[in-house]
Amino acid sequence: DAKTTQPTSMDCAEGRAANLPCNHSTISGNEYVYWYRQIHSQGPQYIIHGLKNNETNEMASLIITEDRKSSTLILPHATLRDTAVYYCIVRNTNAGKSTFGDGTTLTVKP
Amino acid sequence: NAGVTQTPKFQVLKTGQSMTLQCAQDMNHEYMSWYRQDPGMGLRLIHYSVGAGITDQGEVPNGYNVSRSTTEDFPLRLLSAAPSQTSVYFCASRRDVQTGELFFGEGSRLTVL
Repeated sequence: DAKTTQPTSMDCAEGRAANLPCNHSTISGNEYVYWYRQIHSQGPQYIIHGLKNNETNEMASLIITEDRKSSTLILPHATLRDTAVYYCIVRNTNAGKSTFGDGTTLTVKP
Repeated sequence: NAGVTQTPKFQVLKTGQSMTLQCAQDMNHEYMSWYRQDPGMGLRLIHYSVGAGITDQGEVPNGYNVSRSTTEDFPLRLLSAAPSQTSVYFCASRRDVQTGELFFGEGSRLTVL
């Protein structure tokens, strides 16, 4: 699986959009980008995933660059409950395993 | 559906003791995996299974054994616990090898004295 690089930490004001970047410059054609988050010490929770096109669901939007070497997770109106560690993962659909990095700690401030 | 259930939630062991962390899922998922998370760190993959009877090693397999005799269960065994295995352990499952997102359990906190 391709390696990902994320900033260690970010802050965001409550009510504003949180934009979390992820670099995956070695991504290959059959690898998807997945995002998860972990609140406190709970089990991680799936947010969204994509291959080439931008994706949106009720939680977030995922913007993938045309060359697929980076992506951005967007939380459109961050709340205090969005404070968490966010993990960007690149996964080959032919390989079972998913490996996590250290993620980005997002702190949403009042 | 209960999802992914891990037991026990908390456990204290002495060095050299053995134990098994249990993981069960009721979603008929083919893929299951175990991660450990040390304080302030991300998750590291220990072992995973793409179906009953099939297991493989992840990033940090040493000191751990797994088996997958049924689709539902994927126990993680510590044969001789060491203080370095003090961690939070998460079990996760996915529909199959190729598709779907991971569903995680609530974690098992293990302390080895």
